[in-house]
Amino acid sequence: EVQLVESGGGLVQPGGSLRLSCAASGFTFSSYWMSWVRQAPGKGLEWVANIKQDGSEKYYVDSVKGRFTISRDNAKNSLYLQMNSLRAEDTAVYYCARAQDFWSGYLSYDAFDIWGQGTMVTVSS
Amino acid sequence: DIQLTQSPSFLSASVGDRVTITCRASQGISSYLAWYQQKPGKAPKLLIYAASTLQSGVPSRFSGSGSGTEFTLTISSLQPEDFATYYCQQLNSYPLYTFGQGTKLEIK
Repeated sequence: EVQLVESGGGLVQPGGSLRLSCAASGFTFSSYWMSWVRQAPGKGLEWVANIKQDGSEKYYVDSVKGRFTISRDNAKNSLYLQMNSLRAEDTAVYYCARAQDFWSGYLSYDAFDIWGQGTMVTVSS
Repeated sequence: DIQLTQSPSFLSASVGDRVTITCRASQGISSYLAWYQQKPGKAPKLLIYAASTLQSGVPSRFSGSGSGTEFTLTISSLQPEDFATYYCQQLNSYPLYTFGQGTKLEIK
């Protein structure tokens, strides 16, 4: 079964750090771009970060640049999000997601086709 | 940055109704748009990619259309399990992706 399972969430004080993990199974993890998406309580979805298949390219939403680091270990089929200098506004459910390339003729269209169940991060004193 | 605006933000409808949700992009994104369904406490589920292609396993009552800056998601005959929140996502500004603010579909 194709699956993503997040872990590592919890309660952390403002200014603290947390490392999220996402374990992939049922597919060739090293063949896909992977992403983190978050959702604050009662709010919409926000794309947070992307990482290329070999980890050579990483991209972030402006609000987390310099504080969050996305990484992966293809040997362990795992995706990570190191979150430092956490703020109250980082409180959210964090999802990992697989970016699939869907081909239509000679054009490729991305979409997030597999999602984990999410892990809750609460930043509060 | 490309912004996506969904309308309406809330929609009340009955089982059997035909409903349409609109997603407008702040600049042209060709057909690089996906639609997701999210139920409370669950992860989003991919419904449509490339603006109009149904993901495998998604019922045919769901359809998508549009290109450029205006897109629609249509549910032809609402079923009880369709009451959820729907999000559009632009994937044109690869690899920086953004979501619309969501449309909550509620039972009338």
